Amino acid sequence: DAKTTQPNSMESNEEEPVHLPCNHSTISGTDYIHWYRQLPSQGPEYVIHGLTSNVNNRMASLAIAEDRKSSTLILHRATLRDAAVYYCTTPRHSGNTPLVFGKGTRLSVIA
Amino acid sequence: DSGVTQTPKHLITATGQRVTLRCSPRSGDLSVYWYQQSLDQGLQFLIQYYNGEERAKGNILERFSAQQFPDLHSELNLSSLELGDSALYFCASSVDTRNTGELFFGEGSRLTVL
Repeated sequence: DAKTTQPNSMESNEEEPVHLPCNHSTISGTDYIHWYRQLPSQGPEYVIHGLTSNVNNRMASLAIAEDRKSSTLILHRATLRDAAVYYCTTPRHSGNTPLVFGKGTRLSVIA
Repeated sequence: DSGVTQTPKHLITATGQRVTLRCSPRSGDLSVYWYQQSLDQGLQFLIQYYNGEERAKGNILERFSAQQFPDLHSELNLSSLELGDSALYFCASSVDTRNTGELFFGEGSRLTVL
């Protein structure tokens, strides 16, 4: 897996947008960028993934830099339920290499 | 609900003992993954099975073993337990082994070794 770098923690006010950054400068051309989050006392859950183009789903948007060396997970309106640890991971597309998670970013949402 | 079922949810045992954690993957998923999460180590990949065969190995101790059965459920066996084995153990499943899709995680089994 390409090494990923995320801030340890971030804070946001409720109902404001949140931009969670991730650096993955050693990513190869065919590796997808995955984001997961882990709510307190729960297992990780999938948020979004992408390869080159920006992606949107009901949970979030993923903005991928043109050189793919970084990406940003965007929560458009943070709610208290979005308080979680957010993991960015870029597993090798070739070969059987499972997702490896770093320490992630702990997002706190303030009411 | 991810569709991945793990049992037991909580388990308390003593050092030196052996336990078995069970995972039923999401219907249709052939790949099963085991992860360990402790306070100081984060989420660590242990082992992966695909359709009954071991596919990848991570930081799994020799005291730990796993298998995936013909009905695709998986078991993680932890033996000669030590205090440091206390952790949350997560199972995840996916359709295949390609890293282009989604992993579905269970709610975890919390193991406490006293």
